[in-house]
Amino acid sequence: DAGVIQSPRHEVTEMGQEVTLRCKPISGHDYLFWYRQTMMRGLELLIYFNNNVPIDDSGMPEDRFSAKMPNASFSTLKIQPSEPRDSAVYFCASNRASGSNEQFFGPGTRLTVL
Amino acid sequence: AQTVTQSQPEMSVQEAETVTLSCTYDTSESDYYLFWYKQPPSRQMILVIRQEAYKQQNATENRFSVNFQKAAKSFSLKISDSQLGDAAMYFCAYRRPLSQGGKLIFGQGTELSVKP
Repeated sequence: DAGVIQSPRHEVTEMGQEVTLRCKPISGHDYLFWYRQTMMRGLELLIYFNNNVPIDDSGMPEDRFSAKMPNASFSTLKIQPSEPRDSAVYFCASNRASGSNEQFFGPGTRLTVL
Repeated sequence: AQTVTQSQPEMSVQEAETVTLSCTYDTSESDYYLFWYKQPPSRQMILVIRQEAYKQQNATENRFSVNFQKAAKSFSLKISDSQLGDAAMYFCAYRRPLSQGGKLIFGQGTELSVKP
């Protein structure tokens, strides 16, 4: 299996622009998680899905952030409009509903908002 | 709410020596999982070891082992025979069962350096 795939790996954008981060979870995984990593706040959960349905979005910072999972093999995290404080590494992770309980992480997207 | 604390921002160990990274957590739940993740400069999050709270036996994975003290809510990671490739940021994480929302709650991380 290819593992969790994220794109792009790096994104540099201007303040006010729309940013879309993409994730393809491991095939057969029921859960998908979006995390953000910053120096100030560390690793924090933004939102997670179970069977494509958002379950907990309490970590989404504000209305500028939105996430969708239109099918079992694809999810997006959108920031509109982006701000410099959104600069961070964004990770996607996926998990089976049963088994080892391990969350498999993607390589992350490093976002820089100028 | 659950919290995870790693009190050592940085640690250093001599190659081939043993080092222990500390982690404490706070929860009122009895059913949960604990993990140690390694994050090298590549940023990839790599699972090092996992522990189910209902298991009294400490988990081991080759050179990595944990000291799980449930009553004390402590979950330390011991790395034996340290290698240069062990240099990385290490995160302790807590997770409830998936049926109760399986998000990971991370500690602040400990940066481990290995001296040749």
